[in-house]
Amino acid sequence: RKEVEQDPGPFNVPEGATVAFNCTYSNSASQSFFWYRQDCRKEPKLLMSVYSSGNEDGRFTAQLNRASQYISLLIRDSKLSDSATYLCVVTLYNFNKFYFGSGTKLNVKP
Amino acid sequence: DAGITQSPRHKVTETGTPVTLRCHQTENHRYMYWYRQDPGHGLRLIHYSYGVKDTDKGEVSDGYSVSRSKTEDFLLTLESATSSQTSVYFCAISEAGQGNTGELFFGEGSRLTVL
Repeated sequence: RKEVEQDPGPFNVPEGATVAFNCTYSNSASQSFFWYRQDCRKEPKLLMSVYSSGNEDGRFTAQLNRASQYISLLIRDSKLSDSATYLCVVTLYNFNKFYFGSGTKLNVKP
Repeated sequence: DAGITQSPRHKVTETGTPVTLRCHQTENHRYMYWYRQDPGHGLRLIHYSYGVKDTDKGEVSDGYSVSRSKTEDFLLTLESATSSQTSVYFCAISEAGQGNTGELFFGEGSRLTVL
């Protein structure tokens, strides 16, 4: 069983739309949670960390539900530049091992 | 951007040949990682290092070995490359300890094709 599961998409949305991605993790001992963004043929980069109380960074909101073992990312007012693959990431016990979901592809259309 | 470079960036080789990928960092970060990325699988951890000469296996370590003789360099070796090892390989670094964000910084990737 994979440590982290994501819907691969693609999600095709118009500019200005609100879109939400979910991610589930299998190990209840998972300690830290992140969303990374990866542009086509580029390396992944940190988008935001996910905190238990939920957190917001501009148009992006991340939430964590430990009881159900899922993480979500909400993007409001989508921009063309948001088109990318979004990777859900968890760590176990400490920061030694980062486990990645296979990613959810977002296409924002004009 | 974090100072992390991978070499070579592109390589085509034949089945059965040895291949070494190099990751070099200038950030003095303790942790270094090798991942491979394949369609449908996402990023999978091959090996990681938590200090000079300290390494451990990841999810998909069979067929790969690593070495870290200096803080700044982490080498990934395919002793005898197979077609199933055709992939994009990413090196990443991370610092550890109190107050760190747990952020991974990635190199630009090395695209390996095994014919």
